[in-house]
Amino acid sequence: DGGITQSPKYLFRKEGQNVTLSCEQNLNHDAMYWYRQDPGQGLRLIYYSQIVNDFQKGDIAEGYSVSREKKESFPLTVTSAQKNPTAFYLCASSMGVNTEAFFGQGTRLTVV
Amino acid sequence: AQKVTQAQTEISVVEKEDVTLDCVYETRDTTYYLFWYKQPPSGELVFLIRRNSFDEQNEISGRYSWNFQKSTSSFNFTITASQVVDSAVYFCAFLITQGGSEKLVFGKGTKLTVNP
Repeated sequence: DGGITQSPKYLFRKEGQNVTLSCEQNLNHDAMYWYRQDPGQGLRLIYYSQIVNDFQKGDIAEGYSVSREKKESFPLTVTSAQKNPTAFYLCASSMGVNTEAFFGQGTRLTVV
Repeated sequence: AQKVTQAQTEISVVEKEDVTLDCVYETRDTTYYLFWYKQPPSGELVFLIRRNSFDEQNEISGRYSWNFQKSTSSFNFTITASQVVDSAVYFCAFLITQGGSEKLVFGKGTKLTVNP
């Protein structure tokens, strides 16, 4: 089935460790996005990529990094520089150019 | 600034009631796109509808309907005869084009609880 796969669904890490969240899509979409969701805050854009090997910072990029080496994959690394990394992370993709985005099931990251 | 406001944080209704979720947007663009998404307890966002600024026709899909009014910069969502399965967080979103790239900007969401 076509879709967006995020893994793992739940992730626990110790403070000070980097962690990478996986996002893979088989929809042949050009654009991919990472959002962070906190209670009562809605979704905030971390990074987005319109094409392979290119990406832009969103509204809250500090403490995060991404790569887009393949069209299908857009991994997000939460670095130790991120002050408050515990959150629900959602990956999305779209065909681009005024189209809707489709979302994965999310990864809930807890840093202890 | 381009943004979306969902003033209703939480709404609680009893099954079979009609409920309207409000969405107000701000933009100076003449061409723009608005969206509604549903987020059930499982967490995944489900796309419901896309509307462009040139199409002010109201949309109906089963028990769901959307009222787009440019005069009031609103894109409201109504669920008729609500059901328990409609319980979710609903997000209104706005597509922004910036520096040749597109990004979706979301409102803070409205949590709808439908009680049996």
